[in-house]
Amino acid sequence: DGGITQSPKYLFRKEGQNVTLSCEQNLNHDAMYWYRQDPGQGLRLIYYSQIVNDFQKGDIAEGYSVSREKKESFPLTVTSAQKNPTAFYLCASSIDGPGLAGFNTGELFFGEGSRLTVL
Amino acid sequence: GDSVTQMEGPVTLSEEAFLTINCTYTATGYPSLFWYVQYPGEGLQLLLKATKADDKGSNKGFEATYRKETTSFHLEKGSVQVSDSAVYFCALGMEYGNKLVFGAGTILRVKS
Repeated sequence: DGGITQSPKYLFRKEGQNVTLSCEQNLNHDAMYWYRQDPGQGLRLIYYSQIVNDFQKGDIAEGYSVSREKKESFPLTVTSAQKNPTAFYLCASSIDGPGLAGFNTGELFFGEGSRLTVL
Repeated sequence: GDSVTQMEGPVTLSEEAFLTINCTYTATGYPSLFWYVQYPGEGLQLLLKATKADDKGSNKGFEATYRKETTSFHLEKGSVQVSDSAVYFCALGMEYGNKLVFGAGTILRVKS
């Protein structure tokens, strides 16, 4: 079945540690995204990538890093510089990059999320 | 900047009740509008969308009409079921924009 796989589902981190969240898709989508979900705040965009070897900062990129070495994979690293990392992280993909086709279809396909807790 | 405002929840209804979840937006230009749903323990999935003024999106008994004059995209369903219990997100995407902007989400709880 095609879809997006995020791992791990739950992750605990000590303060000062970097952690990496995995996101893999087999939908052959060009664009991938990372969102952060906090209670009462909806989803906020961390980073997105329209094609391999290219990515852009979203609204809350500070303290995070990403890479896009393969079309299928878009891992997110939460660094020790992120002041409040406890949150639910969602990875998504879309057929084409936002803005590339001149029209944003808006259909994002989401993974089931990873919940990060800092101890 | 662009933004989406949803009614605060949680919204608690009995089965077969009528549902309305309000959504208003602020945007420059002509956005597309979306409703996404998140069932417990899952990621979000697209429920319906409308790409221009007066369009009506519909799916699984849910409907929403793109009202440019009131900058609104309210979600409605005539008869909710327990299985509709979820978090509903309103979102907008600009025609030449580079990301979706999501509202805060509204929790819906349906009692049998």
